[in-house]
Amino acid sequence: QVQLQQSGPGLVKPSQTLSLTCAISGDSVSSNSAAWNWIRQFPSRGLEWLGRTYYRSKWYNDYAISVKSRITINSDTSKNQFSLQLNSVTPEDTAVYYCARSGSYGNNDFDIWGQGTVVTVSS
Amino acid sequence: QSVLTQPPSASGTPGQRVTIFCSGSSSNIGSNYVYWYQQFPGTAPKLLIYRNNQRPSGVPDRFSGSKSGTSASLAISGLRSEDEADYYCGAWDDSLSGYVFGIGTKVTVL
Repeated sequence: QVQLQQSGPGLVKPSQTLSLTCAISGDSVSSNSAAWNWIRQFPSRGLEWLGRTYYRSKWYNDYAISVKSRITINSDTSKNQFSLQLNSVTPEDTAVYYCARSGSYGNNDFDIWGQGTVVTVSS
Repeated sequence: QSVLTQPPSASGTPGQRVTIFCSGSSSNIGSNYVYWYQQFPGTAPKLLIYRNNQRPSGVPDRFSGSKSGTSASLAISGLRSEDEADYYCGAWDDSLSGYVFGIGTKVTVL
C-alpha cells in the first residue's frame, strides 16, 4: 500500500522560502513509471499543479509556468522522498500543499495523495 | 481563473442523474486525456476517472466519464447523499507544458 507522508512548517514569513518534504512508503522515488508531484489548493478551493520530478534513466523536472522562477523540486533516493522549495513567498502563496503520485493509470493521474499541509504566509 | 471551465455548482435529488461539464481547448482536453477527482471537505482529492472514462478499482459504476472534442463530462447516476462533494476535472496542457484543473463543481444532494 503506497502512502505519502508530508512534513514541513505551516507558517512562513513573506519573502522567505517555503520547504516541504514528502516521504514515500510502498513505492520508490526512482520508479521508472511514476512521477512525484506537488499540487496546492487555495482557500478559494482552486487547485494548482506546481511541478513534478521523475526518473527515466535520469532525473527530470517539470514546473508550472506560474512558479517556474521560484520553485525547485528535488528527490532524495537515500531517504525515498522528494521535496518542494518555493522561494520569495507572498501571502498569495497561502494554500494547502499536497504531494501526489502520478503514473499508475497514465501519465497524469494523481492516484495517491499526501495528507496535505496548510501553509500560511504571514509575518 | 482556471484554464478548464466548470460550473461552480450542481444539484440533484437522490436517485437522479447529475452531469458536470468541463470545457477546455485544443491544447488540453482536445489533445490529452481528462481526469476527474472527488474531494470531501478537509481531505485530499481522490482519483475518480482516468483516461476520459476509466474507473480505478473501487469506484462505483454510478460514476462515468466521457469526452468529445474539447469538452468532457462526468455523470453521476443514482445520486446518493454520500456523493455530495467537490468534483474537479484535469488535463495536461501542451501549450503550458503543465497540468491544469477546473475550478471545481460543488455537487449538492437536495
